[in-house]
This record gives sequence, C-alpha cells and structure tokens, in this order.
Amino acid sequence: DAGVTQSPTHLIKTRGQQVTLRCSPKSGHDTVSWYQQALGQGPQFIFQYYEEEERQRGNFPDRFSGHQFPNYSSELNVNALLLGDSALYLCASSLRQGEGYTFGSGTRLTVV
Amino acid sequence: GENVEQHPSTLSVQEGDSAVIKCTYSDSASNYFPWYKQELGKRPQLIIDIRSNVGEKKDQRIAVTLNKTAKHFSLHITETQPEDSAVYFCAARWTGANNLFFGTGTRLTVIP
Repeated sequence: DAGVTQSPTHLIKTRGQQVTLRCSPKSGHDTVSWYQQALGQGPQFIFQYYEEEERQRGNFPDRFSGHQFPNYSSELNVNALLLGDSALYLCASSLRQGEGYTFGSGTRLTVV
Repeated sequence: GENVEQHPSTLSVQEGDSAVIKCTYSDSASNYFPWYKQELGKRPQLIIDIRSNVGEKKDQRIAVTLNKTAKHFSLHITETQPEDSAVYFCAARWTGANNLFFGTGTRLTVIP
C-alpha cells in the first residue's frame, strides 16, 4: 500500500535547534499539506505545497518553512525551536483538485 | 479564514446506543465537510464526508447531516461498538482553497 509515509516517527530536539521532517505522498497524489497537532487539539494547518511551490499558508511564523521536490515529496523545516513547537506533525497528501486527504502517521517532535 | 467549533469535547455512551457530534463553521463559502477518526497514536482516517450540495449522507452505521443555513453539520453513529472509541474530528474546506480547518475533537468512549 503506497500510503503517506513520514520520517522520522519520533524526534527529540533542544530549544534553539533546527529540525527537518520528511513526507512522501500517496502514489498518484500531487499536493502535500502539513499540519501541527498539539496534544488534545485538532490539527492546525501550516502550509500546502503544489508544483514545488507554497500555495497556501496558515497562521505560523516564518520559522516554519518547507519544500516540495519534483517527485512530490516534501520537507518541513522549523528553525529556532521553541518548547511550544512540541507536537505531532502530520503530513497529508491529496490531488490538487481533489477532496480526499490521506494522512501519514506523523512525526512526534519533542523540544526540550 | 474558517473557524470550526466542535461539541462535545468528550462523549460516553453505552454500547448499542447512538452518538451525535456537532460542528459549526463560520464561512458560508465552505463547501466540503469531512469527518476523521483518530485512534490513540494513529493517523486521522477519513470516515465520511459531505459536500455542500447534499443535506445528508449515510454509510452503514455512520451518517452526516449538513444544514447550510445554520452553518452546522453533525456526525451520527448508531449501534455504537467498543471499537468506535476514538477521537473524532470534523473539518471544513473553504471554497477556492484545498486546506482543511479542523475542529478541536471529540473523545468518544463506548462502554461495553
């Protein structure tokens, strides 16, 4: 099953460090969206990539940046990590004009 | 942007009873409303969705209703089973965008 894969599954970083999270979309999907899910909360939209460009962005600071590669895979980068950045980071893939999101299992980031 | 409110935050029902979760959205231009189920430590999974041109949709024990005038939609689960226990999230997609805005989630517990 070529679902959405994310790596790593867990990560511990120190405050002030930088982190890169990776996502491979479901086969056939061309759009990747990133979400931050704090404990006990719903996923919050960070940004979305299509055709290697950021198309939409949620209410997140510039410390959060991303990239999409020609094979549709994507990276999420967070600079100058804060304790409040600790969360589950979810990647979701879809078709640009489609409605069905497929989520990955997420990366659990802990900032200490 | 869109704002989605979800109630209740927790819900306990006896096995075999029905469960209802309600969401309201703020932007009348939203046109797509999916529901996701997230089990502990797992990815959100789409369980049912509805588009703005439809008032109700059913899939076995699960149904969703949409009231566009009131800007609210609800998830109905009948004949609940212990395996229905999970956190359920509603979401809304604003017309012209392809990102989802999520509610804060409802923790459903089905008591055997």
